[in-house]
Amino acid sequence: EAGVAQSPRYKIIEKRQSVAFWCNPISGHATLYWYQQILGQGPKLLIQFQNNGVVDDSQLPKDRFSAERLKGVDSTLKIQPAKLEDSAVYLCASSLDAGSFYEQYFGPGTRLTVT
Amino acid sequence: EDQVTQSPEALRLQEGESSSLNCSYTVSGLRGLFWYRQDPGKGPEFLFTLYSAGEEKEKERLKATLTKKESFLHITAPKPEDSATYLCAVRRVQGAQKLVFGQGTRLTINP
Repeated sequence: EAGVAQSPRYKIIEKRQSVAFWCNPISGHATLYWYQQILGQGPKLLIQFQNNGVVDDSQLPKDRFSAERLKGVDSTLKIQPAKLEDSAVYLCASSLDAGSFYEQYFGPGTRLTVT
Repeated sequence: EDQVTQSPEALRLQEGESSSLNCSYTVSGLRGLFWYRQDPGKGPEFLFTLYSAGEEKEKERLKATLTKKESFLHITAPKPEDSATYLCAVRRVQGAQKLVFGQGTRLTINP
């Protein structure tokens, strides 16, 4: 079974530029998550989708971050404009459904460096 | 607000030297406590879910236990391949279903 795919794996941009990350979840998984992991910290949820709809985006900095999930499958996360403090690994995860009984499977992440 | 604190931040052991990692949590109504392993440059890999105090789960050299305030990840006779960062996370019963992660314990097993 193929895992969660993410691209690119690495990205270096200057502050005030824009960047986009792509995620392809495990086939059939209804729930998709985007996490931000700053070096030395645990992942922090940015946004959770259930199929096409947003379940939780309470920690998404909406003035600069946006995300969408196309047709309930792939998802993109965009940052515009980027700040130095956005340097982190952006992890995508998916699960069969929402709820604690469903394991979250993580992708390898995209490491973003903002200079 | 839900909080998860892991200790120690880093732990270095010799191969075969057993030890425990701690995860202390504060959450209003625990839906589940999760342990993940994260290797450098990779996403977290699921290990265990614990749902109620007194529950234990085992996988190879790892055993996770849960009380009302904390969870322990016991590592018995570790090998170098057990070196990784171990993350603990909680999910509450009501409201947002998100996982709240601790900062992790970086474990190094020397041969």
